Amino acid sequence: KNEVEQSPQNLTAQEGEFITINCSYSVGISALHWLQQHPGGGIVSLFMLSSGKKKHGRLIATINIQEKHSSLHITASHPRDSAVYICAADPGGSQGNLIFGKGTKLSVKP
Amino acid sequence: GAGVSQSPSNKVTEKGKDVELRCDPISGHTALYWYRQSLGQGLEFLIYFQGNSAPDKSGLPSDRFSAERTGGSVSTLTIQRTQQEDSAVYLCASSLYGTRETQYFGPGTRLLVL
Repeated sequence: KNEVEQSPQNLTAQEGEFITINCSYSVGISALHWLQQHPGGGIVSLFMLSSGKKKHGRLIATINIQEKHSSLHITASHPRDSAVYICAADPGGSQGNLIFGKGTKLSVKP
Repeated sequence: GAGVSQSPSNKVTEKGKDVELRCDPISGHTALYWYRQSLGQGLEFLIYFQGNSAPDKSGLPSDRFSAERTGGSVSTLTIQRTQQEDSAVYLCASSLYGTRETQYFGPGTRLLVL
Protein backbone atom coordinates (compact mmCIF):
# COMPACT_ATOMS: atom_id res chain seq x y z
CA LYS A 1 0.00 0.00 0.00
CA ASN A 2 1.34 3.42 -0.96
CA GLU A 3 1.98 5.85 1.85
CA VAL A 4 0.00 8.53 0.01
CA GLU A 5 -3.18 7.52 -1.79
CA GLN A 6 -5.28 9.77 -3.98
CA SER A 7 -8.77 9.28 -5.30
CA PRO A 8 -10.14 9.29 -7.83
CA GLN A 9 -7.35 8.51 -10.31
CA ASN A 10 -9.31 10.11 -13.13
CA LEU A 11 -12.15 12.59 -12.97
CA THR A 12 -14.25 14.11 -15.73
CA ALA A 13 -16.54 16.99 -14.90
CA GLN A 14 -18.75 19.46 -16.69
CA GLU A 15 -17.87 23.11 -16.54
CA GLY A 16 -19.33 24.70 -13.44
CA GLU A 17 -19.35 21.55 -11.31
CA PHE A 18 -17.94 21.38 -7.80
CA ILE A 19 -14.97 19.03 -7.68
CA THR A 20 -13.38 17.17 -4.80
CA ILE A 21 -10.10 15.29 -4.91
CA ASN A 22 -9.10 13.23 -1.90
CA CYS A 23 -5.73 12.38 -0.40
CA SER A 24 -5.09 9.93 2.43
CA TYR A 25 -1.70 9.32 3.97
CA SER A 26 -0.34 6.78 6.41
CA VAL A 27 2.81 8.58 7.58
CA GLY A 28 3.19 11.28 10.17
CA ILE A 29 3.53 14.62 8.49
CA SER A 30 4.60 18.15 9.22
CA ALA A 31 2.76 19.49 6.18
CA LEU A 32 0.85 18.41 3.12
CA HIS A 33 1.29 19.94 -0.32
CA TRP A 34 -1.12 20.15 -3.22
CA LEU A 35 0.47 20.58 -6.65
CA GLN A 36 -0.99 21.14 -10.10
CA GLN A 37 0.71 19.71 -13.18
CA HIS A 38 -0.42 21.29 -16.42
CA PRO A 39 -0.80 19.26 -19.61
CA GLY A 40 2.52 20.69 -20.81
CA GLY A 41 4.25 19.29 -17.73
CA GLY A 42 4.83 22.41 -15.66
CA ILE A 43 4.20 22.04 -11.93
CA VAL A 44 2.78 24.73 -9.71
CA SER A 45 2.44 24.56 -5.96
CA LEU A 46 -1.15 25.30 -4.97
CA PHE A 47 -1.18 24.88 -1.20
CA MET A 48 0.94 23.82 1.71
CA LEU A 49 -1.03 23.17 4.86
CA SER A 50 -0.55 21.57 8.23
CA SER A 51 -3.98 22.18 9.72
CA GLY A 52 -7.42 23.52 8.94
CA LYS A 53 -8.28 25.02 5.63
CA LYS A 54 -6.79 27.33 3.03
CA LYS A 55 -8.52 29.11 0.16
CA HIS A 56 -7.15 30.70 -2.98
CA GLY A 57 -9.66 31.89 -5.51
CA ARG A 58 -11.86 28.95 -6.48
CA LEU A 59 -9.56 26.44 -4.81
CA ILE A 60 -9.96 25.24 -1.25
CA ALA A 61 -7.75 22.76 0.56
CA THR A 62 -8.63 21.13 3.85
CA ILE A 63 -6.77 18.75 6.10
CA ASN A 64 -7.81 16.55 9.02
CA ILE A 65 -4.68 15.56 10.88
CA GLN A 66 -6.45 13.03 13.13
CA GLU A 67 -7.95 11.22 10.14
CA LYS A 68 -4.81 11.66 8.01
CA HIS A 69 -6.89 12.98 5.16
CA SER A 70 -6.86 16.04 2.95
CA SER A 71 -9.19 17.26 0.25
CA LEU A 72 -8.81 19.70 -2.61
CA HIS A 73 -12.00 21.36 -3.78
CA ILE A 74 -12.55 23.35 -6.94
CA THR A 75 -15.68 25.47 -7.10
CA ALA A 76 -17.26 26.51 -10.40
CA SER A 77 -14.83 24.36 -12.38
CA HIS A 78 -13.56 25.58 -15.73
CA PRO A 79 -11.83 23.80 -18.63
CA ARG A 80 -8.61 25.59 -17.72
CA ASP A 81 -8.63 23.63 -14.43
CA SER A 82 -7.91 20.50 -16.47
CA ALA A 83 -4.63 19.17 -15.11
CA VAL A 84 -3.16 16.50 -12.88
CA TYR A 85 -3.49 17.32 -9.19
CA ILE A 86 -0.90 15.79 -6.91
CA CYS A 87 -0.77 15.63 -3.15
CA ALA A 88 2.53 15.20 -1.38
CA ALA A 89 3.24 14.46 2.27
CA ASP A 90 6.14 16.11 4.03
CA PRO A 91 7.17 13.72 6.81
CA GLY A 92 9.37 16.38 8.39
CA GLY A 93 12.93 15.72 9.37
CA SER A 94 16.10 16.94 7.74
CA GLN A 95 15.98 14.81 4.61
CA GLY A 96 13.72 17.25 2.81
CA ASN A 97 11.83 14.51 1.03
CA LEU A 98 8.21 14.61 -0.08
CA ILE A 99 6.14 11.47 -0.55
CA PHE A 100 3.91 11.87 -3.59
CA GLY A 101 0.55 10.47 -4.47
CA LYS A 102 0.08 9.18 -7.99
CA GLY A 103 -2.04 12.15 -8.98
CA THR A 104 -5.63 12.73 -10.06
CA LYS A 105 -6.16 13.58 -13.71
CA LEU A 106 -8.98 16.09 -14.00
CA SER A 107 -10.70 16.91 -17.26
CA VAL A 108 -13.32 19.65 -17.25
CA LYS A 109 -15.55 19.68 -20.33
CA PRO A 110 -17.14 22.90 -21.61
CA GLY B 1 12.08 37.89 -11.23
CA ALA B 2 13.23 34.79 -13.08
CA GLY B 3 11.89 31.44 -12.00
CA VAL B 4 13.75 28.18 -11.68
CA SER B 5 15.52 27.28 -14.89
CA GLN B 6 16.87 23.94 -16.02
CA SER B 7 19.11 22.92 -18.87
CA PRO B 8 19.07 21.23 -21.20
CA SER B 9 15.32 21.05 -21.74
CA ASN B 10 15.76 17.79 -23.65
CA LYS B 11 18.61 15.32 -23.75
CA VAL B 12 18.96 12.19 -25.83
CA THR B 13 21.90 9.98 -25.01
CA GLU B 14 23.13 6.48 -25.63
CA LYS B 15 23.15 3.83 -22.98
CA GLY B 16 26.39 3.90 -21.04
CA LYS B 17 27.12 7.60 -21.54
CA ASP B 18 27.28 10.11 -18.69
CA VAL B 19 24.89 13.06 -18.56
CA GLU B 20 24.86 16.23 -16.53
CA LEU B 21 21.67 18.15 -15.78
CA ARG B 22 21.72 21.69 -14.49
CA CYS B 23 19.37 23.64 -12.25
CA ASP B 24 19.41 27.38 -11.56
CA PRO B 25 17.18 28.12 -8.58
CA ILE B 26 15.42 31.38 -7.89
CA SER B 27 17.98 33.90 -6.68
CA GLY B 28 18.22 33.90 -2.90
CA HIS B 29 16.55 30.52 -2.42
CA THR B 30 18.62 28.42 -0.06
CA ALA B 31 16.74 25.15 -0.50
CA LEU B 32 16.92 23.14 -3.72
CA TYR B 33 15.27 19.84 -4.61
CA TRP B 34 15.64 17.29 -7.39
CA TYR B 35 12.77 15.02 -8.41
CA ARG B 36 12.20 12.46 -11.15
CA GLN B 37 9.03 11.63 -13.03
CA SER B 38 9.17 8.52 -15.14
CA LEU B 39 6.69 8.04 -18.00
CA GLY B 40 3.27 7.30 -16.56
CA GLN B 41 4.64 7.31 -13.04
CA GLY B 42 4.34 9.68 -10.14
CA LEU B 43 6.94 12.07 -8.85
CA GLU B 44 9.89 10.64 -6.98
CA PHE B 45 12.11 12.60 -4.60
CA LEU B 46 15.83 12.34 -5.32
CA ILE B 47 17.77 14.78 -3.15
CA TYR B 48 17.48 18.01 -1.18
CA PHE B 49 20.11 20.69 -0.64
CA GLN B 50 20.11 23.25 2.14
CA GLY B 51 22.78 25.65 1.00
CA ASN B 52 25.54 23.49 -0.43
CA SER B 53 24.82 20.51 1.80
CA ALA B 54 22.63 17.51 1.16
CA PRO B 55 21.66 16.00 4.55
CA ASP B 56 20.56 12.69 3.04
CA LYS B 57 21.48 11.12 -0.28
CA SER B 58 19.48 7.93 0.19
CA GLY B 59 16.81 9.07 -2.27
CA LEU B 60 19.21 8.78 -5.19
CA PRO B 61 18.23 5.60 -7.13
CA SER B 62 21.74 4.16 -7.41
CA ASP B 63 25.40 5.05 -6.99
CA ARG B 64 25.43 6.10 -10.65
CA PHE B 65 23.56 9.21 -9.55
CA SER B 66 25.29 12.11 -7.86
CA ALA B 67 24.44 15.74 -7.23
CA GLU B 68 26.26 18.78 -6.08
CA ARG B 69 25.53 22.39 -5.42
CA THR B 70 28.13 25.10 -5.36
CA GLY B 71 27.98 28.63 -4.07
CA GLY B 72 24.53 27.99 -2.66
CA SER B 73 23.11 28.45 -6.14
CA VAL B 74 23.46 26.26 -9.22
CA SER B 75 23.09 22.52 -8.85
CA THR B 76 24.07 19.71 -11.17
CA LEU B 77 22.68 16.20 -11.22
CA THR B 78 25.03 13.73 -12.86
CA ILE B 79 24.06 10.29 -14.07
CA GLN B 80 26.96 8.03 -14.95
CA ARG B 81 26.73 5.06 -17.31
CA THR B 82 23.12 5.84 -18.16
CA GLN B 83 20.60 3.01 -18.47
CA GLN B 84 17.31 2.96 -20.34
CA GLU B 85 15.41 2.96 -17.03
CA ASP B 86 16.94 6.39 -16.32
CA SER B 87 14.71 7.86 -19.04
CA ALA B 88 12.42 10.33 -17.29
CA VAL B 89 11.74 13.99 -16.70
CA TYR B 90 14.09 15.38 -14.07
CA LEU B 91 12.59 18.28 -12.18
CA CYS B 92 14.26 20.80 -9.95
CA ALA B 93 12.54 23.03 -7.41
CA SER B 94 13.65 25.66 -4.94
CA SER B 95 12.23 27.32 -1.85
CA LEU B 96 13.34 30.33 0.12
CA TYR B 97 14.55 28.80 3.34
CA GLY B 98 13.58 25.17 3.60
CA THR B 99 11.09 22.42 3.41
CA ARG B 100 8.24 24.16 5.25
CA GLU B 101 7.69 26.55 2.39
CA THR B 102 6.23 26.71 -1.08
CA GLN B 103 8.42 25.07 -3.68
CA TYR B 104 8.83 26.61 -7.12
CA PHE B 105 9.40 24.12 -9.88
CA GLY B 106 11.52 24.38 -12.99
CA PRO B 107 10.30 23.17 -16.40
CA GLY B 108 12.28 19.95 -16.18
CA THR B 109 14.82 18.15 -18.33
CA ARG B 110 13.41 15.35 -20.44
CA LEU B 111 16.05 12.61 -20.63
CA LEU B 112 15.83 9.78 -23.13
CA VAL B 113 18.39 6.99 -22.99
CA LEU B 114 18.51 4.93 -26.16
